[in-house]
Order: sequence, then C-alpha cells, then structure tokens
Amino acid sequence: QKEVEQNSGPLSVPEGAIASLNCTYSDRGSQSFFWYRQYSGKSPELIMSIYSNGDKEDGRFTAQLNKASQYVSLLIRDSQPSDSATYLCAVGTGGYQKVTFGTGTKLQVIP
Amino acid sequence: DVKVTQSSRYLVKRTGEKVFLECVQDMDHENMFWYRQDPGLGLRLIYFSYDVKMKEKGDIPEGYSVSREKKERFSLILESASTNQTSMYLCASSPRTSGSYNEQFFGPGTRLTVL
Repeated sequence: QKEVEQNSGPLSVPEGAIASLNCTYSDRGSQSFFWYRQYSGKSPELIMSIYSNGDKEDGRFTAQLNKASQYVSLLIRDSQPSDSATYLCAVGTGGYQKVTFGTGTKLQVIP
Repeated sequence: DVKVTQSSRYLVKRTGEKVFLECVQDMDHENMFWYRQDPGLGLRLIYFSYDVKMKEKGDIPEGYSVSREKKERFSLILESASTNQTSMYLCASSPRTSGSYNEQFFGPGTRLTVL
C-alpha cells in the first residue's frame, strides 16, 4: 500500500466549476498536510497547508482534512484554465521533517 | 519570499562522468532535500540534511552522495553517472520547528540527461 495515494486523473472540469481533488494516507501519526501545484516542466509550488481537522480556505482554494478517515482534499472553486496542472498531496510523517508525496492528480479545466 | 536556486536548468552528461548539482537557499532554513521526479513515480527523496555537515539517506540514495559544508548550500553528487539517473532533480528547503513538519519550498529543478 502506498503511503500517500492520489488518483492520477486526468480530472476534467469545465471552466467555472468546482474541482475536487482527493488524497488518502496510511500513517495515522501524520501531522501535516500540504497541497502543491506543478505546471508541466516546472517545480512544485506550495498552495495550501493544513494541520488540524476541518476546512481551511484561501481565496478560491479550500483544503479539508479528516484524520479519522485519513483523507485530505482540495477544492478549487470557479476553476480557471490557468488551474490546469498536476496537484501533489504531501504528508508530514516519520522523523526529520520529511514529507511523503503522492504521485499527483492531473487537472484539466476546459474553457 | 523564500528563494531556492539550482545551478543548472538543463544538464547533459556522459555515462561515467562525475556530476555535481548545486542548490542554494537564502532563507536560513535548517533542512534541505534532494528529490528526483520521474513520470509515474512521483517525487522520491534521495538525501536530506537537517544541519551543516549532517546528512540522512532518503528512499533512493544508491549512486548518489551529498555535501553540506554551509547552511545555505546543499550539493548532490552523482559519483559515476548512469543512464538510469536521467531525471528531473529538485532541491527543496524548509525551516525546522520543534514538533511540526514545515512547508518545503522548491527550486526550479535541473533536468539531467545522461547519454
């Protein structure tokens, strides 16, 4: 079982819709959760971090964390073509400040 | 803003060459990381360092070594490059705060091709 799992996609949504990206993790001791956006050929860019159960909103982005069910999600409201990218889920687990990355979900926003 | 820079965006080397990839961060972060990213495999941790002259193996350290002589600089060394080390190499840094895992900030990446 992979430590951090994401559906590889592609997830296609029309412009203006809500995109919902999901991630599950296996280590119940995980404490920190991150979402990165990666455009093709570029490096990952941090867009959200969440540390406690519930929702955290930042502009059009909302991160949701449910530790009991071991999942974290990212909602993108009013999706734009510029949101088309691969979204990486990362989980802080183990020692020495390491995080484990999922393989990413490719999002395509159709104009 | 955190700035992480890498010495080269693109690099082409020949099999057997010794390759140095340099990473510099300007935010006084304690932790630095080297990853490689391959299609379908995601980001895999090669080595990391939590202090000057300290290093720890990640998930795929074979064929690599690292050096951290100064806090801001973390070097990845391919002792004898092989074609299976053709990949995108990403450096990241993060601050160290007791009891929590902090956001990692990435450099632009080095796309290495070994012929």
